[in-house]
Amino acid sequence: QVLLQESGPGLVKPSETLSLTCTVSRTTMNTEDYFWAWVRQHPERGLEWVGVTSNSGTVYYNQSLRSRLTLSVDPSKNQFFLRLRSVTAADTAVYHCARALACQGTCLAEVFDIWGQGTHVTVSS
Amino acid sequence: DIQMTQSPSSLSASVGDTITISCRASQNIMYSLNWYQYKPGRAPKVLIHAASLLQTGVPSRFSGTGSGTDFSLTISNLQPEDFGSYYCQQTYNMFPSFGGGTKVE
Repeated sequence: QVLLQESGPGLVKPSETLSLTCTVSRTTMNTEDYFWAWVRQHPERGLEWVGVTSNSGTVYYNQSLRSRLTLSVDPSKNQFFLRLRSVTAADTAVYHCARALACQGTCLAEVFDIWGQGTHVTVSS
Repeated sequence: DIQMTQSPSSLSASVGDTITISCRASQNIMYSLNWYQYKPGRAPKVLIHAASLLQTGVPSRFSGTGSGTDFSLTISNLQPEDFGSYYCQQTYNMFPSFGGGTKVE
């Protein structure tokens, strides 16, 4: 069974950079069939798609985060990464990584079929 | 951006009930609609993809219908493990987006 596990600091100071890692187990990331995604859930709010990276490093970002966000991937380590700069309290959330089945045509992904359990990140001084 | 609106935002139910959650898209998304179950501290789980296709391993008491702009998720014979939150997601374009969620209590 494919597993995804997020890791990173639980507390980040305002204006600093949040860095998270997702480690993928029991499958290879070297496939064109999937994107590797980040989704966050704000307290008392719904889910927000953050962005995705392919195994080759092609990225697509939520436009509201584009100016502060960098996603990257290291398939040799079966890991992908999130860096979010200049964080504020509004970035406090549970961050999930997920595998997204790539779709054909004008869409990005058909479905996010495997998720990590999430890591809680608080932005506070 | 495609906006997804779920209703209700919360509902109270009992074991054995049948419940229906609605999701409306701000434009036609054909059948590009997924449903997820979300519980704190757990990995979210996809229940339905492409509006009505039951994900492998998901009990048949879960069903999805709809196309275009209006969709629904129905849970029949609600079980104790079904309490939690449910989100719809559109994957019609390059920017997948989620509904606001429905908490089943």
